Amino acid sequence: GAGVSQTPSNKVTEKGKYVELRCDPISGHTALYWYRQSLGQGPEFLIYFQGTGAADDSGLPNDRFFAVRPEGSVSTLKIQRTERGDSAVYLCASSLEVRSSGANVLTFGAGSRLTVL
Amino acid sequence: SQQGEEDPQALSIQEGENATMNCSYKTSINNLQWYRQNSGRGLVHLILIRSNEREKHSGRLRVTLDTSKKSSSLLITASRAADTASYFCATPSGSSNTGKLIFGQGTTLQVKP
Repeated sequence: GAGVSQTPSNKVTEKGKYVELRCDPISGHTALYWYRQSLGQGPEFLIYFQGTGAADDSGLPNDRFFAVRPEGSVSTLKIQRTERGDSAVYLCASSLEVRSSGANVLTFGAGSRLTVL
Repeated sequence: SQQGEEDPQALSIQEGENATMNCSYKTSINNLQWYRQNSGRGLVHLILIRSNEREKHSGRLRVTLDTSKKSSSLLITASRAADTASYFCATPSGSSNTGKLIFGQGTTLQVKP
């Protein structure tokens, strides 16, 4: 697609429920990133994929969070047993490649706003 | 943990004035990027400056990088109401081969018409 697409744009759920957030990156982009952003804060790194594999998942806060990218394109962020503290905007981004220089320019989606009641 | 820290946290200016935002970081880097975020939207890449560059321009944007002080600044000249947004610096984390990009807390800029 022309840009990074995230669905749903808004999700309201109850504490303890399971949630899936989907990201469709720019076609041909090999790297895909998930960030979490709370109000008034900068994006907090969660995980990034290089192709199908998670290259760095050091930002996932605990084992309730899991992400997959089975075919190297679309990714799903899964949150089990949601807690009120999980409420945030979840941002997805993609980049054409991961450069050895670290000069990776990210293209972001509009985000999925998650509210846990 | 955040690598970059921006200041000020918030900035309010009149249209036509210049806006300067600063970013400090902790570890050695190969490059530094600036992104912009309009309210309720995703981030948009503005400019990337490499560690061997001291200054870079793009339209009304001017970015400087001082690796000895581990700091960068973003200057927006002749600001417009449409420049109202949050601005974030971002740096690679850890080794140079990583794709992981760490963002600062951001500066919220308000440009009054």
